[in-house]
Amino acid sequence: GDSVTQMEGPVTLSEEAFLTINCTYTATGYPSLFWYVQYPGEGLQLLLKATKADDKGSNKGFEATYRKETTSFHLEKGSVQVSDSAVYFCALGNQGGKLIFGQGTELSVKP
Amino acid sequence: KAGVTQTPRYLIKTRGQQVTLSCSPISGHRSVSWYQQTPGQGLQFLFEYFSETQRNKGNFPGRFSGRQFSNSRSEMNVSTLELGDSALYLCASSLYPAGEEAVLTFGAGSRLTVL
Repeated sequence: GDSVTQMEGPVTLSEEAFLTINCTYTATGYPSLFWYVQYPGEGLQLLLKATKADDKGSNKGFEATYRKETTSFHLEKGSVQVSDSAVYFCALGNQGGKLIFGQGTELSVKP
Repeated sequence: KAGVTQTPRYLIKTRGQQVTLSCSPISGHRSVSWYQQTPGQGLQFLFEYFSETQRNKGNFPGRFSGRQFSNSRSEMNVSTLELGDSALYLCASSLYPAGEEAVLTFGAGSRLTVL
């Protein structure tokens, strides 16, 4: 079945460091790919999405490119801030109408 | 524009009891999906409703059920609670039926603790 694998956390970075969170997927068909972020005590917020191969999603300085050849959708940000501290979830949307999430990666950014 | 509203935010139940959680979607959204979030299993899909019809169901026992009303508000019910049902239950809404490209807007969740 469809699945998503993310790098394990927690990831601890200093402010202004470069961020990469790896995400790979297994799916039949051509799923859409998403990154969601969850701040403490809150629900999930959509960060960015890509619907087809080679699409690049971007938002708030975060970027991810849909790579069909490597079945990956890695999240990157050039310079993280303390306010980026949260849990990040990679997900795929399949024809069945549900989102399949990775396990989440906790990011902690220190001043 | 109001977001997705879930009530109650926190609740404590004992084993064997039942619980009902409520979700009010964004105005105009007709699809409501439910997810369970636990530290061990992560985020797992429970079910999706669109126009009062269940379109899709995850791999959960029959103790988990839901429904959607004509105003798109949805409820989920868990009967005969078990300790393992302790979780954050997230509701999400979308304008169209959840599909490959549907963008879901999530509520803050209902945190259920089963003692």
